[in-house]
Amino acid sequence: TQLLEQSPQFLSIQEGENLTVYCNSSSVFSSLQWYRQEPGEGPVLLVTVVTGGEVKKLKRLTFQFGDARKDSSLHITAAQPGDTGLYLCAGAGSNAGNMLTFGGGTRLMVKP
Amino acid sequence: NAGVTQTPKFRVLKTGQSMTLLCAQDMNHEYMYWYRQDPGMGLRLIHYSVGEGTTAKGEVPDGYNVSRLKKQNFLLGLESAAPSQTSVYFCASSYQGRIGNEQFFGPGTRLTVL
Repeated sequence: TQLLEQSPQFLSIQEGENLTVYCNSSSVFSSLQWYRQEPGEGPVLLVTVVTGGEVKKLKRLTFQFGDARKDSSLHITAAQPGDTGLYLCAGAGSNAGNMLTFGGGTRLMVKP
Repeated sequence: NAGVTQTPKFRVLKTGQSMTLLCAQDMNHEYMYWYRQDPGMGLRLIHYSVGEGTTAKGEVPDGYNVSRLKKQNFLLGLESAAPSQTSVYFCASSYQGRIGNEQFFGPGTRLTVL
């Protein structure tokens, strides 16, 4: 069974601060996705990283896939209240059915 | 395009009762999934389907059954509900093909078993 550990579980910061969320595993993934979930809704995809060492930027969000494709990080610069939500990482193995293994999530609150 | 829809949105059951959760998608996706979400545990896969008429077990299949009689629908059944099945249930769908395709999620069903 492939496991993904996310840290921290909870994060409460002030508007304008920077933060990093980590997603770690002992397993290798063919790709890794980051989702964001608002209360009462399903997760929505933010980004997919495929290549070891890959870095993708989405406005103030920077995503990195580890060289060995076992870990990933999400960095938010100058966080805003609109960034509040649950952030989930999900790894895809080399399996039929496009199945994902999800991390436990990081609940972020950005206070104005 | 409605995307992925789920019914009902909320349900309260007594232990031993049965129910069916319905998921529908209008994106012509081949793959569909049922997850449960519990605090601090992310999303855990219950069952999935890679096409009409096919289903397979995920990580936590015990106590649940599924059917995919039509491509656009994926049903999740609880034959005899238990308090441990209190959770939020999400359905998702995705294109087949290359690994790492995006999964599109429905809004969830909040189920409480008393």
